[in-house]
Amino acid sequence: AQTVTQSQPEMSVQEAETVTLSCTYDTSENNYYLFWYKQPPSRQMILVIRQEAYKQQNATENRFSVNFQKAAKSFSLKISDSQLGDTAMYFCAFMKGRAAGNKLTFGGGTRVLVKP
Amino acid sequence: NAGVTQTPKFQVLKTGQSMTLQCAQDMNHNSMYWYRQDPGMGLRLIYYSASEGTTDKGEVPNGYNVSRLNKREFSLRLESAAPSQTSVYFCASSQTGADIQYFGAGTRLSVL
Repeated sequence: AQTVTQSQPEMSVQEAETVTLSCTYDTSENNYYLFWYKQPPSRQMILVIRQEAYKQQNATENRFSVNFQKAAKSFSLKISDSQLGDTAMYFCAFMKGRAAGNKLTFGGGTRVLVKP
Repeated sequence: NAGVTQTPKFQVLKTGQSMTLQCAQDMNHNSMYWYRQDPGMGLRLIYYSASEGTTDKGEVPNGYNVSRLNKREFSLRLESAAPSQTSVYFCASSQTGADIQYFGAGTRLSVL
């Protein structure tokens, strides 16, 4: 079974600065997908970024980028130029393959507080 | 676009009562999922339906049943609610062969 670990329960960052969230995972699979989801106080789960394991290039979405280290099974999220709206819980998640009904396995989350 | 719609948004039950959480998606997705989120934790899979007519257990299925009513709708039933089932429940859907799941807004359930 896959496991996902987020070792930082909470982080704070000043507005406009950069913060990096850690995520490690354990799997014996070779084909898989990794995700970062954002959960603001509204509770809605919002996809931030996704990474395909077979791609060496790190994914980027505007101010969000990842550092994917496949050998180390590490998948960190960097938020640049932090904004107040980035305040939320962030969850790292793993999915094996792309078959029908493939499930997400989530980490425990990191709470990010952006301070003005 | 509605996406994934869950009803109700909030519910309070007494121990032993039953209820059904409803989920519907309008994206013509084949796969649907039910997760629960306990305080301070990530989501855990309860049940999923890879396609219409099939359902399978996830990580924490005990105390729950599901029905894939049609391609659009996937319901979660608590037959005899227990305080341990106090949680926030999320429904999600995805297209076959796709990796992205789309989530509903969640149902906050309290069992007293």
